[in-house]
Amino acid sequence: TQLLEQSPQFLSIQEGENLTVYCNSSSVFSSLQWYRQEPGEGPVLLVTVVTGGEVKKLKRLTFQFGDARKDSSLHITAAQPGDTGLYLCAGQTGANNLFFGTGTRLTVIP
Amino acid sequence: DAGVIQSPRHEVTEMGQEVTLRCKPISGHNSLFWYRQTMMRGLELLIYFNNNVPIDDSGMPEDRFSAKMPNASFSTLKIQPSEPRDSAVYFCASSLAWTEETQYFGPGTRLLVL
Repeated sequence: TQLLEQSPQFLSIQEGENLTVYCNSSSVFSSLQWYRQEPGEGPVLLVTVVTGGEVKKLKRLTFQFGDARKDSSLHITAAQPGDTGLYLCAGQTGANNLFFGTGTRLTVIP
Repeated sequence: DAGVIQSPRHEVTEMGQEVTLRCKPISGHNSLFWYRQTMMRGLELLIYFNNNVPIDDSGMPEDRFSAKMPNASFSTLKIQPSEPRDSAVYFCASSLAWTEETQYFGPGTRLLVL
């Protein structure tokens, strides 16, 4: 089993603050994905990173894949209440097996 | 376009009863996945199908769990008999192809076994 540890597990911040969420593993992945899940809904894909060292930006969200393709980070600039949710990383190994991380529950307080 | 459809959205049952969860994937998608999400274990892959054929069921916890995909537009996940530890949110997801990176998740079925 490929274990993906996310930190922090819970994060509560004020609107306008910056934050970084980490996703770490001892396994190498062919790609890594980040999802956001809102209460009562399924996870929604935000981004897929494939190349070691790759950086992708999605508005105020910046995603980075580690050089060794074992870890990743998600940085949010000027967080807004709409960013509130459960953030999940998921590593892919071959075929279509996705191994999900433990999740980071983010609350942005207005 | 309709996304992945799951029914029921909520299910409360008593221990020992049979539970059937249903999923309709996005039209044209050839791969279908069943996941279970709990606070303790997070999101776990139970089984996935490609072109209606089960490819990997190593995540199915016990023989009490079974999944079928009789056609490209319908799948079921059955638990018989159900136990309180089966309480969780069960998600169905679909993707265009087995090797397609993007999976689209349904809204989930919240199951409570008393």
